[in-house]
Amino acid sequence: RKEVEQDPGPFNVPEGATVAFNCTYSNSASQSFFWYRQDCRKEPKLLMSVYSSGNEDGRFTAQLNRASQYISLLIRDSKLSDSATYLCVLRGRALTFGSGTRLQVQP
Amino acid sequence: DTEVTQTPKHLVMGMTNKKSLKCEQHMGHRAMYWYKQKAKKPPELMFVYSYEKLSINESVPSRFSPECPNSSLLNLHLHALQPEDSALYLCASSQLIGTEHTWGQPQHFGDGTRLSIL
Repeated sequence: RKEVEQDPGPFNVPEGATVAFNCTYSNSASQSFFWYRQDCRKEPKLLMSVYSSGNEDGRFTAQLNRASQYISLLIRDSKLSDSATYLCVLRGRALTFGSGTRLQVQP
Repeated sequence: DTEVTQTPKHLVMGMTNKKSLKCEQHMGHRAMYWYKQKAKKPPELMFVYSYEKLSINESVPSRFSPECPNSSLLNLHLHALQPEDSALYLCASSQLIGTEHTWGQPQHFGDGTRLSIL
């Protein structure tokens, strides 16, 4: 079983839609969790950390369920500029990246 | 613009060449990382340096040789690479907080060097 699993997508959604991604992880000792965003042929950029209590940053909401070992990312009111690959990332001694979920927001 | 600078942005080399990738950051981060990313795949960790010492080597072949000459610089020396080594090589840095198991909060990535081996 992979350490981090994500649905590769693509998720094709219209502008203004709400979309959610899930990510499951196998290592219960994972310390911290993040969502990174990577545009085509660009470097990954930190989108947000994920806290046990859930956290929100504008249109983005992240949640962590340690008991079920999954994290989620909710994007509300999708914009064209949200089109990218969203990487679920765990940190133990170093970062472990999921394979990413591709989002395509369409006009 | 990123706060981690990588040079060159593109590199084409033959299998017998020797070249180096360079990475620089001036954020005072004491952890630096090399990742390799193939097309449509996530980044894979290669090396981690903390306080200028090699902390993690993810069983990377010896044809890749990292070097951390000071707290701002990280190099990756390349020699006798294979065509399958063609990839995007990403450098990242982060603060070191607390113990070894609380590293890396968060990691800032450079633009990467796109490497092609002929």
